[in-house]
Amino acid sequence: GAVVSQHPSWVICKSGTSVKIECRSLDFQATTMFWYRQFPKQSLMLMATSNEGSKATYEQGVEKDKFLINHASLTLSTLTVTSAHPEDSSFYICSARDGRLGSNQPQHFGDGTRLSIL
Amino acid sequence: GDSVTQMEGPVTLSEEAFLTINCTYTATGYPSLFWYVQYPGEGLQLLLKATKADDKGSNKGFEATYRKETTSFHLEKGSVQVSDSAVYFCALSVFYNQGGKLIFGQGTELSVKP
Repeated sequence: GAVVSQHPSWVICKSGTSVKIECRSLDFQATTMFWYRQFPKQSLMLMATSNEGSKATYEQGVEKDKFLINHASLTLSTLTVTSAHPEDSSFYICSARDGRLGSNQPQHFGDGTRLSIL
Repeated sequence: GDSVTQMEGPVTLSEEAFLTINCTYTATGYPSLFWYVQYPGEGLQLLLKATKADDKGSNKGFEATYRKETTSFHLEKGSVQVSDSAVYFCALSVFYNQGGKLIFGQGTELSVKP
């Protein structure tokens, strides 16, 4: 089945550091990728939607300059948390879908990245 | 706006018990409906889906039927196992309005005891 690889799975860094998270579709072309944030024991909060070759569409309340998203190819999207602070600590999950296969194609999720800012 | 409501957890069952996790939705378009499962420390895995009214999605002994008249998509399994312990998310997607964006319920934690 469709596989989405997310890297790294876990990162700890100092406050003020920028952190890049990669999301790759391994066996399909992802025309659309999504980035979510999940707090402990809560649901997923959509941060932004990115279409290959276009600028990302951010959800209300998500800082574009803080969370930089790049979707330069059909198999790779990156989320960069710039100048991370402890409040940015969270579980970040990406998902991907190939919209060219029809409107009902499901999203396939990566295994998530646990980000801890000290 | 579009939304999904799930029964609150945690749900604790004994092995081989019958499972029902309720899910209802509101949507202005014609949504596709999904159940995702999340094991501890992992991302989400698609469990099953249904794309139109009266469709039944099924996988690994789980099933759910798309009921348009009651706007529901309840998840059921006849006999749960300890390995089914996880958090289950009901979700909808209305492609034409929202580009395939998923709207999730709050998740229901299932704990199965041996």
